[in-house]
Amino acid sequence: GNSVTQMEGPVTLSEEAFLTINCTYTATGYPSLFWYVQYPGEGLQLLLKATKADDKGSNKGFEATYRKETTSFHLEKGSVQVSDSAVYFCALRNSQGGSEKLVFGKGMKLTVNP
Amino acid sequence: GAVVSQHPSRVICKSGTSVKIECRSLDFQATTMFWYRQFPKKSLMLMATSNEGSKATYEQGVEKDKFLINHASLTLSTLTVTSAHPEDSSFYICSASSPIGEGRGNEQFFGPGTRLTVL
Repeated sequence: GNSVTQMEGPVTLSEEAFLTINCTYTATGYPSLFWYVQYPGEGLQLLLKATKADDKGSNKGFEATYRKETTSFHLEKGSVQVSDSAVYFCALRNSQGGSEKLVFGKGMKLTVNP
Repeated sequence: GAVVSQHPSRVICKSGTSVKIECRSLDFQATTMFWYRQFPKKSLMLMATSNEGSKATYEQGVEKDKFLINHASLTLSTLTVTSAHPEDSSFYICSASSPIGEGRGNEQFFGPGTRLTVL
C-alpha cells in the first residue's frame, strides 16, 4: 500500500537556522509528492510539490527533491524565520486508477524563535 | 482564489446529539470533496470522498451510518456526526478539488477545520 513516514518532532530552531524535515514514502507506481503547511488556526496549504523523479519543488525558500532511488522527498530551508512556525505534512498522491486520494505523514511541528 | 470554508470552526455538544459540519468552496466549483479526521500527534486520516450528486465513498473502517456525508451542490458538502459520543471528539477537515480542466490541476484546497468536542 501507500504510506508516508516523516520526522515527527516537535522541533524548535532559532531564526536563520537551517531546516531539514525528512520524508520517505512507500508506493506502487509513480506517485506525486507534496509538502503541506498548516499555520496556527488555519487550514492546510500546499507548500510545494513534485510530480516525477528528480523534480525539485520550491516555494518561499523551501525546497524538496523527488528522489526515487531513495524514495524520499526531504524538505529543506537554508534560513528559517519566525513566520515559518507551523506544522509541516509530507504527502503523496498515487494516481493509479484515477484516484485523487492524498496519503499524509503524521506532521511535524516547527517552532522558530527570534 | 481557491478558498474553502468550514462552519462551525468549533462545536461542543452533548453525547447522543447530532452535529452537522459544512464545507464550502467559495470561489470555485468542487466536483470532489474530501473529509478527513485529524487526531492529536497523528496524521490526517481520509474518512470519505464525495462527488457532487452521488453517494460518498467511505474508507475502510469508517461507519457510513454514523458519518453522513451529503454533497448536494458543487460548492457545498456536509458531514453529519450522528449520535455523537466522546470518542468522536476530533478535528475534522474538509478539502475540495476541481477537475484539471478548471486550471487548478486537480489540487486539493483545504478548509480550516472544525474542532468537535463531545461531552
